[in-house]
This record gives sequence, C-alpha cells and structure tokens, in this order.
Amino acid sequence: DAKTTQPPSMDCAEGRAANLPCNHSTISGNEYVYWYRQIHSQGPQYIIHGLKNNETNEMASLIITEDRKSSTLILPHATLRDTAVYYCIVTSGGSNYKLTFGKGTLLTVNP
Amino acid sequence: KAGVTQTPRYLIKTRGQQVTLSCSPISGHRSVSWYQQTPGQGLQFLFEYFSETQRNKGNFPGRFSGRQFSNSRSEMNVSTLELGDSALYLCASSPSGTGVGHTEAFFGQGTRLTVV
Repeated sequence: DAKTTQPPSMDCAEGRAANLPCNHSTISGNEYVYWYRQIHSQGPQYIIHGLKNNETNEMASLIITEDRKSSTLILPHATLRDTAVYYCIVTSGGSNYKLTFGKGTLLTVNP
Repeated sequence: KAGVTQTPRYLIKTRGQQVTLSCSPISGHRSVSWYQQTPGQGLQFLFEYFSETQRNKGNFPGRFSGRQFSNSRSEMNVSTLELGDSALYLCASSPSGTGVGHTEAFFGQGTRLTVV
C-alpha cells in the first residue's frame, strides 16, 4: 500500500470548515483513499473514501487531485466533537486487505 | 444493528501468561481484522480473517495468533505475555474486506490489556 503524509496537528475554529490535507504521491491505480478518525480512547471511525472522483457524505467531503497524488478531507462546519486524530489511508483491498495507519493529524476544534 | 463487540474491555495479566481476546463482528460481516495500538508504535495491523481463513498477516511474532469461527466471531491469543504487549487491541469488521464495492471497516471499542 502507498504511504501517506499528513501534518501532525491542525487547529480550527468551531463552525468553520476544517481542511485536512494528505499526500499520497506513490498511490497506484487500484488504490483507494480512505479517511478514518479516532476520538480519544475509542475505536477508529470511518469517515469517507474515494478512488478518483470527489465524494461527499453526511460527515465530510473528500477532494482528490486529478493526478491522485494528494487529497483533502473537508469537515464543512467543525464542532468541538470533531476534535480527534484523523488518518488518511491508502489501500487496494482484496486479498491484501488491511489498513496501514500512519501518525495522522490531530485536529483540535477551538470554541 | 449491533456494532462490533469486543470482550473483555479491560484486562490485567502477568508477564509470561497468555490471554485470549474476543470479537463479535457486525451480523453478516465476514472479514475480521485485528490491530494493536500503543503510544509508541500507533495503530498496527495484526491479521485479517475472512471465512475462517487467515488472509493477511502483519509483522508480529508468532506469539500472536488468531482464529475465526463459522459464525465469523474471532479470537486472538497472545502467549507468553511481555510488558511490551500492553496495548489497546482493536477489532474491525467489514462485509467482505475485498476491493469489490470497497466498503469501510467498523471498529469495536477495543480491549485494553495491561501486562504487569
């Protein structure tokens, strides 16, 4: 699986959009980009995933660049409960299914 | 629909002992994965089971083993416990774990193992 690079920490004001970047310059054609988050001492929670098109669900939007070498997770209106470590993961699934977690980005939403 | 259930939630064991952790996946999910989380190493993949077969394995010593039953429930076992095995052990289930339809993994709350 391709490796990802994320900033170690970011701050965001409550109510504003949080934009979390991820670099995955070695991604291959059959690999998807996944985002998970982990609130302190809980199990990781799935947020969104995509292959090459932008995706949106009730939690967030995922913007993948045309060359697929980077992506941005957007939380449109961050709340205090969005404070968590956010992980960007690239995986091809299939018989090699596993999630390789990096160090992630600690997003702190401030009141 | 019930989520992923891990038991026990907390466990204290003595060095040299063995331990078995249990994971009940979401009904209908056939893929169960196990992860170890420590402050130093972060979240690391242990192994994945699909239809009772270990399909993928991480870079852990043979003291770490697992199995999956016909009802998809899974157990992991750690023998000859070491202090460094103290960690949060997380289980995740997904419908297939395959690239077809690419689905997400649902994590349990984990089992906090402390080795003394």
